[in-house]
Amino acid sequence: EIVLTQSPGTLSLSPGERATLSCRASQSVRSNYLTWYQQRPGQAPRLLIYGASNRAAGIPDRFSGSGSGTDFTLTISRLEPEDFAVYYCQQYGSSSMYTFGQGTKLEIK
Amino acid sequence: QVQLVESGGGVVQPGRSLRLSCAASGFSFRSYAVHWVRQAPGKGVEWVAVVWFDGTTKYYADSVKGRFTISRDISKNTLDLQMDSLRAEDTAVYYCAKEGILGGNRCLDSWGQGTLVTVSS
Repeated sequence: EIVLTQSPGTLSLSPGERATLSCRASQSVRSNYLTWYQQRPGQAPRLLIYGASNRAAGIPDRFSGSGSGTDFTLTISRLEPEDFAVYYCQQYGSSSMYTFGQGTKLEIK
Repeated sequence: QVQLVESGGGVVQPGRSLRLSCAASGFSFRSYAVHWVRQAPGKGVEWVAVVWFDGTTKYYADSVKGRFTISRDISKNTLDLQMDSLRAEDTAVYYCAKEGILGGNRCLDSWGQGTLVTVSS
């Protein structure tokens, strides 16, 4: 079973700054089946990035994903107030089982 | 537009059962896999179970295997989760989510608002 480790646990930044979130897998993620979700307080998670680098419909272009194999990154180029939330990476493995990372909380500095 | 609405949450004693339901609309329910994902208070999200579009292929997280049963009713466009032998650690918000296949990648592209299950004596 692949384990996803996200870092940092909490990231404190100001609006307008650049955010870089990391997701490391214990084994290579096949076919880049790596997804990122955003969860705002009191809301369900929302799909952000799929296939490691593809933005979902309606996601602003300040969000970008990169990486392959075991190391993946979510970058937010210029933080807006609504971007302060928790971000999860997730991989799809065999037998349709999904694994989530523990999350990175992006908070206002 | 896709809508997923969960119901059935509440407070239940350890060892008892509870059944959750999710009403789906706005997409061809019979054509997609649908999942349950949960989130304990103040914790991260945890995948629970999936039922494929065929209705018969099902997979479970080890933490719920043998205790939870996922099912779907194509005629009613509903997804259920039968939870037996509940434990305190099953306390969580339970979300149903639709699986999408985007560019060949599987991901959860639509989520419900969740229903809270509290297991406590």
